[in-house]
Amino acid sequence: DAGVIQSPRHEVTEMGQEVTLRCKPISGHNSLFWYRQTMMRGLELLIYFNNNVPIDDSGMPEDRFSAKMPNASFSTLKIQPSEPRDSAVYFCASSLRAGGPVDTQYFGPGTRLTVL
Amino acid sequence: KQEVTQIPAALSVPEGENLVLNCSFTDSAIYNLQWFRQDPGKGLTSLLLIQSSQREQTSGRLNASLDKSSGRSTLYIAASQPGDSATYLCAVGSGNTGKLIFGQGTTLQVKP
Repeated sequence: DAGVIQSPRHEVTEMGQEVTLRCKPISGHNSLFWYRQTMMRGLELLIYFNNNVPIDDSGMPEDRFSAKMPNASFSTLKIQPSEPRDSAVYFCASSLRAGGPVDTQYFGPGTRLTVL
Repeated sequence: KQEVTQIPAALSVPEGENLVLNCSFTDSAIYNLQWFRQDPGKGLTSLLLIQSSQREQTSGRLNASLDKSSGRSTLYIAASQPGDSATYLCAVGSGNTGKLIFGQGTTLQVKP
């Protein structure tokens, strides 16, 4: 299995531009998570999906952030418009089971976003 | 609100030493606790998962313990090696939804 796949690995953009991050979870996994990691705040959960349905988006910082999961094999995290304070590493993770006992989460390599 | 704290923030030890990393959490009503490893510029790799009903889990040279009543977990690494150098993160699962709350991590350096 290829593991969780994220693209792009690096993104540099200018303030005000739209940014779209992409994630392909491990095949057969039912839960998908988006995290953001910064030096100041550490690793924070932004949103997670069970069976393609958003369950908890309380970690999404502002309305500028949105996430979708149109099918079981693809998810996007969009920032529009982007700001310099959005600069961080964004991780996607997936786990096998939706609901029930928490299962091991498998992380992708992350997307390093720099907003100038 | 659940808060997870890891102490120390950084640790440097000579190769071969046994060491303990600490994790504490404020709300003892957890579903489980996981330890992850993160190498520089990489994603997280799950090391051990302890369900709330368990007291410890072991994998090779790693042993993780859980004491819910005191809000603590420890990760014990035996006979440390330079390849163990990484950041170790503790994460608490609150509820049966998969949501994890992470500590800030302990950065470990094992010197040859």
